[in-house]
Formats: sequence, structure tokens, C-alpha cells
Amino acid sequence: AQSVSQHNHHVILSEAASLELGCNYSYGGTVNLFWYVQYPGQHLQLLLKYFSGDPLVKGIKGFEAEFIKSKFSFNLRKPSVQWSDTAEYFCAVKVYNQGGKLIFGQGTELSVKP
Amino acid sequence: EPEVTQTPSHQVTQMGQEVILRCVPISNHLYFYWYRQILGQKVEFLVSFYNNEISEKSEIFDDQFSVERPDGSNFTLKIRSTKLEDSAMYFCASSERTGQETQYFGPGTRLLVL
Repeated sequence: AQSVSQHNHHVILSEAASLELGCNYSYGGTVNLFWYVQYPGQHLQLLLKYFSGDPLVKGIKGFEAEFIKSKFSFNLRKPSVQWSDTAEYFCAVKVYNQGGKLIFGQGTELSVKP
Repeated sequence: EPEVTQTPSHQVTQMGQEVILRCVPISNHLYFYWYRQILGQKVEFLVSFYNNEISEKSEIFDDQFSVERPDGSNFTLKIRSTKLEDSAMYFCASSERTGQETQYFGPGTRLLVL
């Protein structure tokens, strides 16, 4: 069965530090990839998505992610985090042409210290 | 910006009781989903719904669960005879189409079964 794995459960950074959150998935076929963010007390919001084309995708709030097919990875990056980036981040995968089901990773809690 | 809404935000119920969780998807969306997140665990897909019928469901979505679109705006998840292990955050999502479409999530209903 397909699965998604996020390597870090809790990441603590100081403001202005660079961020990279890992995401790997297990499926050999075509996938659509997503990063969602959940700020405290709020709902899941889409940060960015990859469907096809340029494997480096840019999202909102200065986030970007790179799809590396050979590594089955879709890591999220931000060059300089802010306190307001404190949130939980979820990687999700949808198998292409197999319905709409999203398969989520376990989430990474990011705490940014001012 | 249109949003998915869910009611109630919190629900406490006794084991064995029935609960109905309500969602109002974004108005021009055609595909609807329910996910749940048990505390400390991954967000898990429950069911997808299109054209007034279930298009896909997970192993979790057994006879205890049902979904309905009773009118043109609401999408409901009914849990019959709740169990302690049904305690979770339940998220509704909608998308304009399936395939390469983003799912937009509601804020969730936190269900506590005592």
C-alpha cells in the first residue's frame, strides 16, 4: 500500500534559520504531491502542490519544494523562517488517476523561536 | 475567498450514541471527502463522494459510517453507535473536480466519545 513518511516529528528553529522538512513516499507510479500547513487553531491550508513540469515548485509565504522522482521525495524548504511559520506541516500524496484520496504523512510540528 | 465550513466545532457524545457531523463544501465543488485524525496519528482518508454516491472508501469506513448530501449545500457524516476509538478530529474537504485538483479543507470537528 502507498505510504508517506515525514522524517521529522518536531523541528525547533530560531527566526531567520533555514528550513527543510523531509517527505518520502512509496509508490512507483505517477503521483501528485502536496504540502499542507495547519496553523494553531486553524484548518489545513495548501502551501504548494506538484502535478507535472518543473520539479521545483514555489508556494505561498516563501515556501518551495523539490520533487526528486529518483528518491521518491518532495522536501519542503524555506530559506529564512519567521515566528509566524510556527505550525504543523503535512505532506500528502495522491496517486494519479486513482480517485481523489490523499495519503498523508504524520506531520511535522515546526516551532520557530523569536 | 470561499471556504469549507464544518459544524459543530466540538462534539462530546456518549459511547453508543449516533452523531452527525456537518459540512458545507465550496459551492461550485463537485467532489467531497471526509478524513479523520486521531490524536497523535496521521490524517486518514475515510470516504469520497461524487454525484450522490460514494466513489471510494477506506477500510475504516465500515457499516458504522454513512455519508449523505441531503440538500444542495450540506454534506454529512453519520457515525452510528459511536465507540471510544471514534474520538478524533474529522475534516471535510471538497474539490472542483477529481484528478489534478486541490482539496480544500474545513476547520474540522473534534469528536470526543466518552
